[in-house]
Order: sequence, then C-alpha cells, then structure tokens
Amino acid sequence: EVQMVESGGGLVKPGGSLRLSCAASGFTFSSYSMDWVRQAPGRGLEWVSSISGSSRYINYADSVKGRFTISRDNAKNSLYLQMNSLRAEDTAVYYCARGGFGGIGDYYMDVWGKGTTVTVSS
Amino acid sequence: SYDLTQPPSVSVSPGQTATITCSGDKLGDKYASWYQQRPGHSPVLVISQNTKRPSGIPERFSGSNSGNTATLTISGTQAMDEADYYCQAWDSSTVVFGGGTTLTVL
Repeated sequence: EVQMVESGGGLVKPGGSLRLSCAASGFTFSSYSMDWVRQAPGRGLEWVSSISGSSRYINYADSVKGRFTISRDNAKNSLYLQMNSLRAEDTAVYYCARGGFGGIGDYYMDVWGKGTTVTVSS
Repeated sequence: SYDLTQPPSVSVSPGQTATITCSGDKLGDKYASWYQQRPGHSPVLVISQNTKRPSGIPERFSGSNSGNTATLTISGTQAMDEADYYCQAWDSSTVVFGGGTTLTVL
C-alpha cells in the first residue's frame, strides 16, 4: 500500500525552527517528485514546495522562500522540510504528497499523507 | 503569479448534477486537477489531466477544461460527496490551488 506518514509538527515560538519529516512506503520513492502542501485552520490548500526525484529541481512558494528548505533522502525513503524564522501565519496542517507528471505542463498530487500540525505562537 | 478562482459554495439536491467551476487566465491551455477533501480528512485526487479519474474514483465524477474555465461535474450526487473541492494547475514550475468550493448536498 502506498502511504506517507508525516511527523515533526508541534508548538514553536515565532522566530523559531522546526523540521518536518515524511516517511514514504509502498512505491519507488526516488522515481517521484514530492511536495509539501499546507492548510491553515479553516482555510484552503496552499502549496509550499516541490522537489524532484533526484533533488535536481526544487521550487518554493514565495511565502516561504528563503525561510524553508525542502530535501529528501532516497536511501531512507524520506522527505523533509526545514522551517526557519517561523511566523504565526505558518500555523497550519502540513501535508506530504506524491507528485505525478501526466505530461509537459501537467503536475498533480496523487497520494497524500494525513498531515502534521504546526502551531507558531508565543 | 497565477490565480485560480472558485465559487465559495455550491448546493445540490441528492441525485442531481453538481457543477463546480475554476477560472484562470487561459486555463484551458494548462492541465487542471481536482481534489476532494472531506471534513477532518486529507485531500484526495478525483480528477487529473483535466479529465482522468484515478483508480477507485466513481464514474459520476468527470472533468473538462476549455478557454478560461475548468469544470468538475458530479452526476447523481450523493450525500457522501459533500466536501470541499479544490482545483489545481501548474504554472511556471509552481503549483497553484484554487480557493476551494464547499459542496453542500441538501
């Protein structure tokens, strides 16, 4: 069964740091791009970052650029999100999702984890 | 940045057809995907590549994309389809989500 399990969420003070992890199983991890998507309480989905299977291509939303770093360890089937300089507006459930390419210009997320909650508050 | 616009809410009677739209500049030149999120659950992909249903998604879900609008259609809507629905596209190597539409079945 294909699944992803996120961990590492918690309560952190503004300006603090947190590292999220996502353990993947049931598929050839290195063959897939992976994404982090977040959802603030009562709000919609917001894409955070993507990383290609080889880590060659990495992209970030403007709202996190320069503060968050995505990485992966294909030997451990794991995805990470290092979050620094956290702000109250980063409070959200963070989902790990598997990326799929249907063709040029077509990208979607076909499997999602259950998410881990990050709360930034003093 | 690229924006996708969805109506905040749509209501439908059981057994009827629900239509949820997603608008963006020349969206028809891109690929649109759709996600269903039931309360307290993670999103689930219901349509990819404009029209494709992943394995396990009921046939009553269908999609189209032309001009500036992508559309998710749910035929014979059931109570279990009550959820938030999000459209998504890929633009300039970034993922863009619509604001989401709450589908109420009443």
